[in-house]
Amino acid sequence: AQTVTQSQPEMSVQEAETVTLSCTYDTSESDYYLFWYKQPPSRQMILVIRQEAYKQQNATENRFSVNFQKAAKSFSLKISDSQLGDAAMYFCAYRTYNQGGKLIFGQGTELSVKP
Amino acid sequence: DTAVSQTPKYLVTQMGNDKSIKCEQNLGHDTMYWYKQDSKKFLKIMFSYNNKELIINETVPNRFSPKSPDKAHLNLHINSLELGDSAVYFCASSQGEDYNEQFFGPGTRLTVL
Repeated sequence: AQTVTQSQPEMSVQEAETVTLSCTYDTSESDYYLFWYKQPPSRQMILVIRQEAYKQQNATENRFSVNFQKAAKSFSLKISDSQLGDAAMYFCAYRTYNQGGKLIFGQGTELSVKP
Repeated sequence: DTAVSQTPKYLVTQMGNDKSIKCEQNLGHDTMYWYKQDSKKFLKIMFSYNNKELIINETVPNRFSPKSPDKAHLNLHINSLELGDSAVYFCASSQGEDYNEQFFGPGTRLTVL
C-alpha cells in the first residue's frame, strides 16, 4: 500500500526567508502524481503545486518550488520569500492510476510565519 | 460562482441520529469524492464516484451511504451517528483520475454529542 510521510509536524519561518517542508512516500508504481495542498485556518484546501513522476524537471509556481527525488521517493516543498499569508497546514499527497483518483495524504506540516 | 459547495458547513447532532451532507460541483467534472479529516487533521478518502458510479469505498462503515443522483452531485448520508464520526467532511471533484487538480469544497464540520 502506498503511504506518504511528513516528518515535521510544525515548522516556523521568518517573513521574507525561505523554508523547506519535507515529504517522503512509498510506492511500487513507476507512474504517479504528487501534490502539495495548503489548508489555511479557513479550512479551504488549496492546490499549491503538482509534479508528474515521469518529469525530471522540478515544478515551480512563483515562490513555490519542489525538489523531486524519484529514486529517494522524496518530494519537498520550498517556499521562498515567505509571507504572512503562507501560514497554514501543508499537506503532501500522492495519486496514481486505477485507484479511483483518490489522493493519499501525509499527516501535514503546520507552518507559522513570524513577522 | 462557487466551484464545489457543501451544505451545511456546520452540523451539530445527537448520537444515534441520521444526517445528510450535500455536495454540488459546477465545474463539469466527472469524478467526485468524499474525504474525512479527523481531529488530528489527517485526511483520508472515503468514497470516489465516476460518472455516478461508485469506484472506491475505502472500508467505510455501512452506516455511511453516498448517493450520486447525477454527475454534479454527491451526497453523504450517515445513519446512527456515533461520537467517532465527529470530523470535518470534505467533498471534492476532478476531471478524470490523473494529474488534474482536485477541487475541494469548504468542508462540513460534524459534531456528534
